Amino acid sequence: EVQLLESGGGLVQPGGSLSLSCAASGFTFSSYAMTWVRQAPGKGLEWVSAIGGSGGGTYYADSVKGRFTISRDISKNTLSLQMNSLRAEDTAVYYCAKVEGGSSSYYFDYWGQGTLVTVSS
Amino acid sequence: QSVLTQPPSVSAAPGQKVTISCSGSSSNIGNNYVSWYQQLPGTAPKLLIYENNKRPSGIPDRFSGSQSGTSATLGITGLQTGDEADYYCGTWASSLSTWVFGGGTKLTVL
Repeated sequence: EVQLLESGGGLVQPGGSLSLSCAASGFTFSSYAMTWVRQAPGKGLEWVSAIGGSGGGTYYADSVKGRFTISRDISKNTLSLQMNSLRAEDTAVYYCAKVEGGSSSYYFDYWGQGTLVTVSS
Repeated sequence: QSVLTQPPSVSAAPGQKVTISCSGSSSNIGNNYVSWYQQLPGTAPKLLIYENNKRPSGIPDRFSGSQSGTSATLGITGLQTGDEADYYCGTWASSLSTWVFGGGTKLTVL
């Protein structure tokens, strides 16, 4: 059974940093791309970042480019999102999701339960 | 402003059918498969439709998807109160190397 468990959310001041983790199990972690998606309170889904399977590249939404860094630790089956220079508008529930498919057919087949990040003074 | 355009809300009576549209462009829907996600209140999103019209295991055939040109449509028949949720379309935007979601559509089953 595929399981994704996010952690690391919390309250942080504007300009601060926070690191999110997503522990993956139930599938061969190294073989799949992974992604982060966020949802601000009362708002829709916003894609944040993705990382390819082993040897794959990294991708970012313009809203986080240069401030967030996605990475993965194959040995620990863990996906991470390092968030720097945080702004109030980064306040959201952050979901990690497993990416399935390839070429022109990507989709997110499994999602974690999310972790809340609040950026406020 | 989302790259993919969905109606903010739709509604229908139990047992009826509803469709939700998702409009994009040649740089996203026009050249990539669309997937749909259901988000029940207070829960994480869940994959509903992938590759325009395929259903993952466990998704009832009351849910269907289609794509034509730069638009996609989610159809739900035999509406149930348990279908009340937010629905999102999404696809890869090749020219931007980013994923894009629609703004979401809130389904109310009256």
